[in-house]
Amino acid sequence: DGGITQSPKYLFRKEGQNVTLSCEQNLNHDAMYWYRQDPGQGLRLIYYSQIVNDFQKGDIAEGYSVSREKKESFPLTVTSAQKNPTAFYLCASTPLTGAGDYGDTFGSGTRLTVV
Amino acid sequence: AQSVAQPEDQVNVAEGNPLTVKCTYSVSGNPYLFWYVQYPNRGLQFLLKYITGDNLVKGSYGFEAEFNKSQTSFHLKKPSALVSDSALYFCAVRALNSGNTPLVFGKGTRLSVIA
Repeated sequence: DGGITQSPKYLFRKEGQNVTLSCEQNLNHDAMYWYRQDPGQGLRLIYYSQIVNDFQKGDIAEGYSVSREKKESFPLTVTSAQKNPTAFYLCASTPLTGAGDYGDTFGSGTRLTVV
Repeated sequence: AQSVAQPEDQVNVAEGNPLTVKCTYSVSGNPYLFWYVQYPNRGLQFLLKYITGDNLVKGSYGFEAEFNKSQTSFHLKKPSALVSDSALYFCAVRALNSGNTPLVFGKGTRLSVIA
């Protein structure tokens, strides 16, 4: 079955550590996105990528980094510079159409907790 | 700039009664509008979308939404609520022909259906 796989489901980070969240899709989608979800704040865009080897900052990119070396994969690294990383992280993808009339397909999320 | 407002953080409804979850939007030009549902610790699931044509859009699980251009609204409705409809609902917008620019999400409305 086609879909988006996020791993791990739960992740614990110590202060000062970098951690990487995995996002893989087998939908042959061109565009991929990372969102952060905090209670009462909805979804906030961290980074997005429309093609391989290219990505754009979203609204809250500080303290995060991404790469897009393969079409199927869009990993997110939460660096030690992100001071409040505890949140639910969602990865999404969509096919590239000029019209933009496709919605996003979402993964099941990774819950990151700082310990 | 695009934006979405979901004016109610919480909506409570009795099982069997009709439900409405409100959404208003702001976008330059014509919009593509989407509704998603999120169950606890899960990703977002697509419910329905408005692209063009009939203002009443039917989606998954008996949900429908009405596009009203003059009021810039896209309210989600269901004639008879089920306890299993209890979840977090997100409205999202993208401008027409904007390609794969990221969706802009509202902050979400928590629906509670009481037996």
